[in-house]
Amino acid sequence: QSALTQPASVSGSPGQSITISCTGTSSDVGGYNYVSWYQQHPGKAPKLMIYEVTKRPSGVPDRFSASKSGNTASLTVSGLQAEDEADYYCASYAGSNKDVFGTGTKVTVL
Amino acid sequence: EVQLVESGGDLVQPGGSLKLSCAASGFSFSGSVIHWVRQASGNGLEWVGRIRSKADTYATAYGASVEGRFTISRDDSKNTAYLQMNSLKTEDTAVYYCAKEGSSLDYWGQGALVTVSS
Repeated sequence: QSALTQPASVSGSPGQSITISCTGTSSDVGGYNYVSWYQQHPGKAPKLMIYEVTKRPSGVPDRFSASKSGNTASLTVSGLQAEDEADYYCASYAGSNKDVFGTGTKVTVL
Repeated sequence: EVQLVESGGDLVQPGGSLKLSCAASGFSFSGSVIHWVRQASGNGLEWVGRIRSKADTYATAYGASVEGRFTISRDDSKNTAYLQMNSLKTEDTAVYYCAKEGSSLDYWGQGALVTVSS
């Protein structure tokens, strides 16, 4: 079970939108609607931002949205804010009771 | 309030063993699924494994890099999950998080540092 592929870094100016991709295979991202996204600030535990491809937990701003097409999932952050600067990880169910994380993307707010 | 608190992190020699604990509170632990996730310094998250509830016969599953060396267990009477790590390698050095599965991994502990070095 190989890690899902994410871009190493993405950047944007305040107020802009950015999109992070997460590419897997038909055995993980493409095969199940169990893709989630996590935000991690330095020295902190990850925080759930999106689950089941598109759903936002209570308390997560609606600036965060997500989608999936085939074997690639995407997270979009609209109206980028300084506090959005963090590492972002996707994750997917990969069958056989196993999960897999993405390689991670560092988001920089310029 | 949901809380997960890891403990047991330590410095251990290669080939050695270590057992981490994850003490839970604020939710129905016995019905929950618990995951372990690790993160080496400066690296990304790696899924270690999960343990399901009694209703699912405490089924476990592991990532490829730890299968056969790590074992996840739980004691519902103590609201605690465990990660037994054997035959440790230097590449197992990481912060180990336990996390509760609800809407995906919705609550995480603060992490426990495991260092494997001679």
